[in-house]
Amino acid sequence: DAKTTQPTSMDCAEGRAANLPCNHSTISGNEYVYWYRQIHSQGPQYIIHGLKNNETNEMASLIITEDRKSSTLILPHATLRDTAVYYCIVGYNNDMRFGAGTRLTVKP
Amino acid sequence: GAGVSQSPSNKVTEKGKDVELRCDPISGHTALYWYRQSLGQGLEFLIYFQGNSAPDKSGLPSDRFSAERTGGSVSTLTIQRTQQEDSAVYLCASSPLTGAQETQYFGPGTRLLVL
Repeated sequence: DAKTTQPTSMDCAEGRAANLPCNHSTISGNEYVYWYRQIHSQGPQYIIHGLKNNETNEMASLIITEDRKSSTLILPHATLRDTAVYYCIVGYNNDMRFGAGTRLTVKP
Repeated sequence: GAGVSQSPSNKVTEKGKDVELRCDPISGHTALYWYRQSLGQGLEFLIYFQGNSAPDKSGLPSDRFSAERTGGSVSTLTIQRTQQEDSAVYLCASSPLTGAQETQYFGPGTRLLVL
């Protein structure tokens, strides 16, 4: 069973920041937070991961709260191609439990 | 370079038949993972390999499912006596190692339909 809860769906206007929340209140001290996304009919694509500190790469930023019980994925300037299901996963690389994710729809 | 490839891309079979799904990981990747995704659902973890060994097979849904990996590369997922509830997309992923810092690279999946 997934250890995370995410909203089922979200909308975002093209060009605006998309902020996707994730709750993981039972995370243990050495588990990472991973984000993947899945565009329709494709395999999931890695976005970003972190342990305690906030992380940023060319795709997104990951903000993890100090108590590590929740996190937010930020897509700074969403485009139509960012429409996808976004999965927040807590665990280890060899034990990743995907939940249902958040279906993000970017609208023109 | 080449990514993870899976074959066949689509498979239609009759209930009761056996099917074999293949995964070619990225060259040099030690770890290989199998997932199942039913229509409109999230991914269900099935099994992972570290090299040729599978430390944990508890994710396999029944004893009709088996997987093997030979030569530390190609893996096959076999479903015996297929049932209609086995219909799903079967996804394979690989990563250089199984460490927490490793990214999983997914293949396009095999769409299995059991009639």
